[in-house]
Amino acid sequence: SQQGEEDPQALSIQEGENATMNCSYKTSINNLQWYRQNSGRGLVHLILIRSNEREKHSGRLRVTLDTSKKSSSLLITASRAADTASYFCATDALQGGSEKLVFGKGTKLTVNP
Amino acid sequence: KAGVTQTPRYLIKTRGQQVTLSCSPISGHRSVSWYQQTPGQGLQFLFEYFSETQRNKGNFPGRFSGRQFSNSRSEMNVSTLELGDSALYLCASSVRTGGETQYFGPGTRLLVL
Repeated sequence: SQQGEEDPQALSIQEGENATMNCSYKTSINNLQWYRQNSGRGLVHLILIRSNEREKHSGRLRVTLDTSKKSSSLLITASRAADTASYFCATDALQGGSEKLVFGKGTKLTVNP
Repeated sequence: KAGVTQTPRYLIKTRGQQVTLSCSPISGHRSVSWYQQTPGQGLQFLFEYFSETQRNKGNFPGRFSGRQFSNSRSEMNVSTLELGDSALYLCASSVRTGGETQYFGPGTRLLVL
């Protein structure tokens, strides 16, 4: 089963508004990452937050992590039409002695001009 | 540095055929991971290679296989193609392990008729 689950599945907002996406996961993690995917293309890494961090910023992105609730949120402020994409959270999972990333199903964000 | 490259970008095959996809990681990256992305199942981990060794494997049938060469380039092979193998196949590279930040290629879109 998926380790990370994003919520909502889809989000539609107007340009200039803020967008918040949430991710819940099931097991202990070392880090949690957020990626963006434009339609049918490769994923682009946005930000990584480690399990001992609570908040991290990168430009218009703000990520929070609550390990007690096993959840994270991604906030995009002052959204732009170019932010239209699918956003995925990914958690590291230990399997067979090595780590791998497990992705959620993503939140599809539409920013209307 | 050049990014992750994948060839071919698009591929059409018929059921029963086999296919080989290629991935060249970022220079200096030794870990290559492969994912299958479909609308229904999302991003599913296939396998990870590091220093020519398969270090991790997802829950896919034996028809899916891969290998990594001494220059870190990787190939994945799918034999006896089925309609359900139609998907976007993504390759990602990272410096050391599959649990850290991954850099994705543009993907190979495979259509099985």
